[in-house]
Amino acid sequence: GQQVMQIPQYQHVQEGEDFTTYCNSSTTLSNIQWYKQRPGGHPVFLIQLVKSGEVKKQKRLTFQFGEAKKNSSLHITATQTTDVGTYFCASADSWGKLQFGAGTQVVVTP
Amino acid sequence: ETGVTQTPRHLVMGMTNKKSLKCEQHLGHNAMYWYKQSAKKPLELMFVYSLEERVENNSVPSRFSPECPNSSHLFLHLHTLQPEDSALYLCASSQGDRSGSFFGPGTRLTVL
Repeated sequence: GQQVMQIPQYQHVQEGEDFTTYCNSSTTLSNIQWYKQRPGGHPVFLIQLVKSGEVKKQKRLTFQFGEAKKNSSLHITATQTTDVGTYFCASADSWGKLQFGAGTQVVVTP
Repeated sequence: ETGVTQTPRHLVMGMTNKKSLKCEQHLGHNAMYWYKQSAKKPLELMFVYSLEERVENNSVPSRFSPECPNSSHLFLHLHTLQPEDSALYLCASSQGDRSGSFFGPGTRLTVL
């Protein structure tokens, strides 16, 4: 499978600040997906990137796929308490099977 | 969100019990999955069904037995589980490759 590594594992953010979480692979990925899991909840699909260098935005969230398709990032601006949760990147194969990263657990302090 | 539903939401069972987890998707997807989420471990894929055919059994012990009677329903039959099988079991569906997966709320399983 296409293994993905995520950093950092934990992220403490002051409300209003920006932060970035990164996803890296030693092999070229066909796609990258991002999910958010709130505490006590289940993963929720956020977005999928498939093209080299692709950038997509969802309000305060900016997703990027590297030129070599070996890394991806999620940048959140002006963090809010509603951003609390664990953010996972994952790569899907042709069956839709997901290889998940370990996730970045985000804690927001007011 | 009610696209993917799972029952029961919580389950406590002894090691000699037999129980089943149920998943239903209302999204018209053609693939369904079982994932296991343990504390401090990444989400682990257990089983994949595409068009009701199992396409992967990810080295899962035989005490877990999946069943997919149609494209909308997925079951996970459990028997003689071990305490280390305690985890959150998540069902998901998707339209195959190049599309996101939609997860159910999960079943929190505790094996005593």
